Amino acid sequence: SSELTQDSVVSVALGQTVRITCQGDSLRTNYASWYQQKPGQAPVLVIYGKNNRPSGIPDRFSGSRSGNTASLTITGAQAEDEADYYCNCRDSSDKHWVFGGGTKLTVL
Amino acid sequence: QVTLKESGPVLVKPTETLTLTCAVSGFSLSNDRVGVSWIRQPPGKALDWLAHIFWTDEKFYSTSLKNRVAISKDTSKSQVVLTMTNMDPVDTGTYYCARMLYGYYDVSGVRYSYYYLDVWGKGTTVTVSS
Repeated sequence: SSELTQDSVVSVALGQTVRITCQGDSLRTNYASWYQQKPGQAPVLVIYGKNNRPSGIPDRFSGSRSGNTASLTITGAQAEDEADYYCNCRDSSDKHWVFGGGTKLTVL
Repeated sequence: QVTLKESGPVLVKPTETLTLTCAVSGFSLSNDRVGVSWIRQPPGKALDWLAHIFWTDEKFYSTSLKNRVAISKDTSKSQVVLTMTNMDPVDTGTYYCARMLYGYYDVSGVRYSYYYLDVWGKGTTVTVSS
C-alpha cells in the first residue's frame, strides 16, 4: 500500500507533550521524514531517519518508529509549534514517494 | 548556502502544458545521493508528491499522474524541469521543488532506507483557468 494515514487534528496544552502519528505499510521498511508547515510558508524538515534533527530544529522535536507507525513527538510544546505536520516516506515498491494527509496541531 | 527557486507561468489554460523550472544553487545535480523532487499543494489541502530525479538521472513519478508528468535535469545549468500536460483546474495550487538526500541503516542484515527533503524552494503558484 502507498498510503500514509495521519490524524487530521491534534491539540496540546502549552508546555505539554504531544505525539503525532503516521501509519502505513511502507514504514515497515523505510523511515519517515517529518515536515512542519506554517500558513503561507514552504514546509520545513524537522525529523528524518531514526531520529535526526536538522540544524536549527529544537531538541523538543523527536521521532520514532514501531512496526508500521512513525511518530513525531514534541516535548514541551510551544506556541510557535502550532502548524501543519506532514510525514513522508518512500513507498515499499520503491517506485514513488507519498505524503500523509497532514495533522493540524493546535497549541492551547 | 543551498537554495532552490521555482519559476514558471502564474496562469495556464485548461488542456495546456505546464512547464516549471527549479534553479538550484549551493550544490550540484551530479553530487552522489542527491536528487530533486517536485511537490504540489492545492489551496487548503495536503502536500502531494509528483516526481523525483536522482543524480544518476533515474526518474520516478506519482502513480496517479504518471501519464501526464515528466521530469528532467540540466546539470550544466543547475536546473530541474517539470512538465505536466493536459492541465485542469484541479491542478491549481502551489508547486514546490526540494532537494532530497538519502541514507540507510543495516540492522541484522536488513537494510532500512531513509529519504528526506532537506531544503525547499518557496514555491510558485499556478492557477488553471480559462
